Amino acid sequence: SYELTQPPSVSVSPGQTASITCSGDKLGDKYASWYQQKPGQSPVLVIYQDTKRPSGIPERFSGSNSGNTATLTISGTQAMDEADYYCQTWDSSTGVFGGGTKLTVL
Amino acid sequence: EVQLVESGGGLVQPGRSLRLSCAASGITLDDYAMHWVRQAPGKGLEWVSGISWNSGNIGYADSVKGRFTISRDNAKNSLYLQMDSLRADDTALYYCAKDLSGTYSYGMDVWGQGTTVTISS
Repeated sequence: SYELTQPPSVSVSPGQTASITCSGDKLGDKYASWYQQKPGQSPVLVIYQDTKRPSGIPERFSGSNSGNTATLTISGTQAMDEADYYCQTWDSSTGVFGGGTKLTVL
Repeated sequence: EVQLVESGGGLVQPGRSLRLSCAASGITLDDYAMHWVRQAPGKGLEWVSGISWNSGNIGYADSVKGRFTISRDNAKNSLYLQMDSLRADDTALYYCAKDLSGTYSYGMDVWGQGTTVTISS
């Protein structure tokens, strides 16, 4: 079965750029989405179709996907961005999530 | 306001069944694919099942294939998950989520608050 691999944790200073990677075999040939989940809350879609932002998502969130790696980039990271982030894709009409990355804003 | 509300969770013994429901308000679901996603306590997200707008395309995670059945009733604006032969590792918070498209290959842009399923003797 298809697998997506994320780093368990990423740390960033306020105002700096955070990058969270998601690796999978030929992931660049598929669409990747990214979800933000804060403690006790439901997930929120922040990036879909590799690079698109849903309405209401700040411009500091961006995405890319090429080769075997999709990347979520948060520019000018704010304290409110501290959360778990999950990448997700589709493989043969089956959904697959990465294991999640805890973003800490120090 | 678009809202998804799950129901039907509870505490059941291993081997028994449960049926989860997801009711939508503020939106007509019949244009969109729908999904069930679960999250075990302290763990990450796991996609469970998805169904296209017209039920023509249905998929399941390997972990639930043959035990769970997804369905929808567009007339009732609702989504369902029939869960049979439940196991302890099915214990999780189950979310209902709406896809951006009618055929599930984009992203899930609206999520419910979840319903808790606990499997224990």
